[in-house]
Amino acid sequence: NAGVTQTPKFQVLKTGQSMTLQCAQDMNHEYMSWYRQDPGMGLRLIHYSVGAGITDQGEVPNGYNVSRSTTEDFPLRLLSAAPSQTSVYFCASSPLIWAGELFFGEGSRLTVL
Amino acid sequence: KNEVEQSPQNLTAQEGEFITINCSYSVGISALHWLQQHPGGGIVSLFMLSSGKKKHGRLIATINIQEKHSSLHITASHPRDSAVYICAAIMEYGNILVFGAGTILRVKS
Repeated sequence: NAGVTQTPKFQVLKTGQSMTLQCAQDMNHEYMSWYRQDPGMGLRLIHYSVGAGITDQGEVPNGYNVSRSTTEDFPLRLLSAAPSQTSVYFCASSPLIWAGELFFGEGSRLTVL
Repeated sequence: KNEVEQSPQNLTAQEGEFITINCSYSVGISALHWLQQHPGGGIVSLFMLSSGKKKHGRLIATINIQEKHSSLHITASHPRDSAVYICAAIMEYGNILVFGAGTILRVKS
Protein backbone atom coordinates (compact mmCIF):
# COMPACT_ATOMS: atom_id res chain seq x y z
CA ASN A 1 0.00 0.00 0.00
CA ALA A 2 1.30 3.45 -0.89
CA GLY A 3 -1.17 5.17 1.47
CA VAL A 4 -1.88 8.79 0.50
CA THR A 5 0.23 10.15 -2.34
CA GLN A 6 0.42 13.89 -2.89
CA THR A 7 2.12 15.65 -5.80
CA PRO A 8 3.97 17.88 -6.36
CA LYS A 9 5.97 18.33 -3.15
CA PHE A 10 7.09 21.82 -4.11
CA GLN A 11 5.68 24.34 -6.57
CA VAL A 12 6.33 27.98 -7.33
CA LEU A 13 3.63 29.91 -9.21
CA LYS A 14 3.19 33.42 -10.43
CA THR A 15 0.08 35.36 -9.44
CA GLY A 16 -2.78 34.45 -11.76
CA GLN A 17 -1.47 31.05 -12.80
CA SER A 18 -3.52 27.93 -12.25
CA MET A 19 -2.42 24.54 -11.06
CA THR A 20 -3.69 21.26 -9.66
CA LEU A 21 -2.44 19.49 -6.56
CA GLN A 22 -2.94 15.77 -6.93
CA CYS A 23 -4.03 13.43 -4.13
CA ALA A 24 -4.51 9.70 -4.47
CA GLN A 25 -5.15 6.95 -1.93
CA ASP A 26 -5.17 3.20 -2.39
CA MET A 27 -7.00 2.23 0.82
CA ASN A 28 -10.55 2.49 -0.56
CA HIS A 29 -11.33 5.32 1.87
CA GLU A 30 -14.61 7.17 1.46
CA TYR A 31 -13.52 10.37 3.22
CA MET A 32 -10.89 12.60 1.64
CA SER A 33 -10.01 16.16 2.50
CA TRP A 34 -7.65 19.04 1.77
CA TYR A 35 -6.09 21.34 4.35
CA ARG A 36 -3.74 24.26 4.34
CA GLN A 37 -1.25 24.89 7.11
CA ASP A 38 -0.04 28.41 7.80
CA PRO A 39 2.36 29.48 10.58
CA GLY A 40 0.62 30.02 13.90
CA MET A 41 -2.81 29.09 12.53
CA GLY A 42 -2.91 25.32 12.49
CA LEU A 43 -4.48 23.26 9.76
CA ARG A 44 -7.64 24.56 8.13
CA LEU A 45 -10.09 22.56 6.05
CA ILE A 46 -10.46 23.68 2.41
CA HIS A 47 -12.75 21.06 0.87
CA TYR A 48 -13.77 17.54 1.67
CA SER A 49 -15.54 14.58 0.11
CA VAL A 50 -17.48 11.72 1.67
CA GLY A 51 -17.47 9.60 -1.48
CA ALA A 52 -17.18 9.64 -5.26
CA GLY A 53 -19.30 12.39 -6.75
CA ILE A 54 -19.82 14.17 -3.41
CA THR A 55 -17.82 17.23 -2.36
CA ASP A 56 -18.41 20.05 0.09
CA GLN A 57 -16.75 23.20 1.32
CA GLY A 58 -14.72 23.54 4.44
CA GLU A 59 -13.58 26.57 6.39
CA VAL A 60 -11.50 28.28 3.67
CA PRO A 61 -12.80 27.21 0.22
CA ASN A 62 -12.45 30.47 -1.72
CA GLY A 63 -10.06 30.24 -4.66
CA TYR A 64 -10.04 26.44 -4.71
CA ASN A 65 -12.03 23.82 -6.60
CA VAL A 66 -12.23 20.08 -6.11
CA SER A 67 -13.82 17.09 -7.77
CA ARG A 68 -14.13 13.43 -6.84
CA SER A 69 -14.77 11.33 -9.92
CA THR A 70 -13.27 8.18 -8.38
CA THR A 71 -12.85 6.88 -4.83
CA GLU A 72 -9.06 7.02 -5.23
CA ASP A 73 -8.46 10.58 -6.46
CA PHE A 74 -9.24 14.00 -5.00
CA PRO A 75 -7.43 16.79 -6.87
CA LEU A 76 -7.34 20.38 -5.61
CA ARG A 77 -7.37 23.11 -8.26
CA LEU A 78 -6.17 26.67 -7.79
CA LEU A 79 -7.96 28.64 -10.47
CA SER A 80 -6.00 31.90 -10.32
CA ALA A 81 -3.22 31.77 -7.75
CA ALA A 82 -2.78 34.63 -5.30
CA PRO A 83 0.07 35.32 -2.84
CA SER A 84 -2.40 34.61 0.01
CA GLN A 85 -2.48 31.00 -1.18
CA THR A 86 1.20 30.54 -0.32
CA SER A 87 1.02 27.71 2.19
CA VAL A 88 1.69 24.05 2.85
CA TYR A 89 -1.16 21.85 1.65
CA PHE A 90 -2.05 18.45 3.05
CA CYS A 91 -4.42 15.83 1.73
CA ALA A 92 -5.88 13.29 4.16
CA SER A 93 -8.15 10.28 3.95
CA SER A 94 -10.08 8.10 6.37
CA PRO A 95 -12.54 5.21 6.07
CA LEU A 96 -15.20 7.56 7.47
CA ILE A 97 -14.52 10.83 9.29
CA TRP A 98 -16.07 9.61 12.50
CA ALA A 99 -14.49 6.17 12.39
CA GLY A 100 -10.89 5.27 11.93
CA GLU A 101 -7.45 6.67 11.58
CA LEU A 102 -6.62 9.71 9.47
CA PHE A 103 -3.90 9.18 6.87
CA PHE A 104 -2.05 12.23 5.58
CA GLY A 105 -0.04 12.83 2.47
CA GLU A 106 3.48 14.23 2.82
CA GLY A 107 2.40 17.77 2.03
CA SER A 108 2.88 20.19 -0.87
CA ARG A 109 4.68 23.48 -0.33
CA LEU A 110 3.26 26.12 -2.64
CA THR A 111 4.73 29.58 -3.13
CA VAL A 112 2.84 32.20 -5.12
CA LEU A 113 4.94 35.17 -6.21
CA LYS B 1 -11.76 32.67 19.27
CA ASN B 2 -10.83 29.32 17.79
CA GLU B 3 -13.30 26.54 18.45
CA VAL B 4 -10.40 24.26 19.43
CA GLU B 5 -7.73 25.52 21.81
CA GLN B 6 -4.51 23.78 22.79
CA SER B 7 -2.18 24.43 25.68
CA PRO B 8 0.63 24.96 26.14
CA GLN B 9 1.78 26.39 22.80
CA ASN B 10 5.39 25.47 23.56
CA LEU B 11 6.75 22.92 25.98
CA THR B 12 10.33 22.01 26.84
CA ALA B 13 10.94 18.96 28.99
CA GLN B 14 13.86 16.94 30.26
CA GLU B 15 14.19 13.37 29.13
CA GLY B 16 12.16 11.09 31.39
CA GLU B 17 9.59 13.68 32.43
CA PHE B 18 5.84 13.10 32.30
CA ILE B 19 4.23 15.43 29.75
CA THR B 20 0.64 16.61 29.42
CA ILE B 21 -0.82 18.51 26.47
CA ASN B 22 -4.35 19.82 26.74
CA CYS B 23 -7.08 20.38 24.17
CA SER B 24 -10.39 22.11 24.86
CA TYR B 25 -13.23 22.91 22.51
CA SER B 26 -16.23 25.17 22.69
CA VAL B 27 -18.74 23.35 20.46
CA GLY B 28 -20.25 19.89 20.34
CA ILE B 29 -18.05 17.24 18.85
CA SER B 30 -18.46 13.57 18.06
CA ALA B 31 -14.81 12.53 18.46
CA LEU B 32 -11.29 13.89 18.55
CA HIS B 33 -7.98 13.00 16.90
CA TRP B 34 -4.51 13.45 18.30
CA LEU B 35 -1.84 13.88 15.62
CA GLN B 36 1.94 14.15 15.61
CA GLN B 37 3.85 16.28 13.13
CA HIS B 38 7.57 15.67 12.89
CA PRO B 39 10.13 18.37 12.02
CA GLY B 40 10.19 17.05 8.45
CA GLY B 41 6.52 17.97 8.17
CA GLY B 42 4.84 14.58 7.94
CA ILE B 43 1.66 14.10 10.00
CA VAL B 44 0.70 10.81 11.61
CA SER B 45 -2.40 9.86 13.55
CA LEU B 46 -1.85 8.85 17.17
CA PHE B 47 -5.37 8.34 18.48
CA MET B 48 -9.00 8.85 17.68
CA LEU B 49 -11.31 8.77 20.68
CA SER B 50 -14.86 9.67 21.56
CA SER B 51 -14.88 8.61 25.20
CA GLY B 52 -12.65 7.40 27.99
CA LYS B 53 -9.01 6.62 27.51
CA LYS B 54 -6.68 5.00 24.98
CA LYS B 55 -3.08 3.89 25.44
CA HIS B 56 -0.37 3.07 22.95
CA GLY B 57 3.09 2.46 24.29
CA ARG B 58 4.12 5.54 26.29
CA LEU B 59 1.25 7.63 24.94
CA ILE B 60 -2.10 7.97 26.70
CA ALA B 61 -5.06 10.00 25.48
CA THR B 62 -8.15 10.83 27.49
CA ILE B 63 -11.34 12.66 26.65
CA ASN B 64 -14.41 13.93 28.47
CA ILE B 65 -16.86 14.87 25.74
CA GLN B 66 -19.30 16.58 28.13
CA GLU B 67 -16.59 18.68 29.79
CA LYS B 68 -15.20 19.53 26.33
CA HIS B 69 -11.65 18.53 27.18
CA SER B 70 -9.02 16.05 26.05
CA SER B 71 -5.46 15.42 27.16
CA LEU B 72 -2.46 13.70 25.64
CA HIS B 73 0.09 12.32 28.08
CA ILE B 74 3.59 11.09 27.32
CA THR B 75 5.25 9.01 30.01
CA ALA B 76 9.04 8.72 30.29
CA SER B 77 9.58 11.30 27.55
CA HIS B 78 12.46 10.88 25.11
CA PRO B 79 14.14 13.28 22.67
CA ARG B 80 12.54 11.36 19.78
CA ASP B 81 9.15 12.56 21.11
CA SER B 82 10.11 16.09 20.03
CA ALA B 83 7.45 17.12 17.53
CA VAL B 84 4.31 19.20 17.13
CA TYR B 85 1.23 17.61 18.67
CA ILE B 86 -2.11 18.60 17.22
CA CYS B 87 -5.65 17.88 18.33
CA ALA B 88 -8.43 17.86 15.75
CA ALA B 89 -12.10 17.76 16.69
CA ILE B 90 -14.78 16.18 14.52
CA MET B 91 -17.66 18.62 14.61
CA GLU B 92 -21.03 17.26 15.64
CA TYR B 93 -22.73 19.28 12.92
CA GLY B 94 -20.99 17.79 9.90
CA ASN B 95 -18.11 15.95 8.33
CA ILE B 96 -15.66 18.62 9.35
CA LEU B 97 -12.43 18.60 11.33
CA VAL B 98 -11.33 21.68 13.25
CA PHE B 99 -7.72 21.74 14.39
CA GLY B 100 -5.94 23.23 17.34
CA ALA B 101 -2.89 25.35 16.57
CA GLY B 102 -0.55 22.67 17.88
CA THR B 103 1.86 22.26 20.78
CA ILE B 104 5.57 22.36 19.99
CA LEU B 105 7.30 19.84 22.26
CA ARG B 106 11.05 19.69 22.73
CA VAL B 107 12.52 16.97 24.92
CA LYS B 108 16.13 17.57 25.96
CA SER B 109 18.52 14.76 26.85
